[in-house]
Amino acid sequence: AQSVTQLDSQVPVFEEAPVELRCNYSSSVSVYLFWYVQYPNQGLQLLLKYLSGSTLVESINGFEAEFNKSQTSFHLRKPSVHISDTAEYFCVVRAGNDYKLSFGAGTTVTVRA
Amino acid sequence: DTGVSQNPRHKITKRGQNVTFRCDPISEHNRLYWYRQTLGQGPEFLTYFQNEAQLEKSRLLSDRFSAERPKGSFSTLEIQRTEQGDSAMYLCASSPDRGLETQYFGPGTRLLVL
Repeated sequence: AQSVTQLDSQVPVFEEAPVELRCNYSSSVSVYLFWYVQYPNQGLQLLLKYLSGSTLVESINGFEAEFNKSQTSFHLRKPSVHISDTAEYFCVVRAGNDYKLSFGAGTTVTVRA
Repeated sequence: DTGVSQNPRHKITKRGQNVTFRCDPISEHNRLYWYRQTLGQGPEFLTYFQNEAQLEKSRLLSDRFSAERPKGSFSTLEIQRTEQGDSAMYLCASSPDRGLETQYFGPGTRLLVL
């Protein structure tokens, strides 16, 4: 079985400041990793994913995450946030031989002007 | 908009009543998933369909819960004899039948059991 730990439940940040959301996972098999985002009053959307290849993956809106196998981490970063990045972010793991997703508890990012 | 749709969006019911939720996946998506999200937690897997076949059920899905996907298109999730602990957001997702394809989520049905 897989488990996901998001180390911060709430992250307040000022506009144009950097942000890092920490995620650690545990699994006995190889995994695929995702970050999903839920904007206020909207459904879950895929932000980015790591399936294989380069361990650094990027989203279209400036987020990036790096898969670190030795530390079993998949931290999410953005060098400069906008008000519109206010949302809840979920780190998600999928075992290589499975279809279901295992979610972390989520990190709420609140961007202030 | 051809995303995943769920109905109703909100449901308030009294303890002991039965409720049924509907999910319409993205057309041509063969895989359909149900998840449940309680306050302050991430979604938890409930069950999964490949076409009309229910291939996996979580231990969270007690015998009061039943899910169907009769023609491999829309799906229903029924909860019988609801309890207050069933109050949650029920999420549906779908994906194509190709390897590691992304799961696309619907807006969810929020259930409140009084």
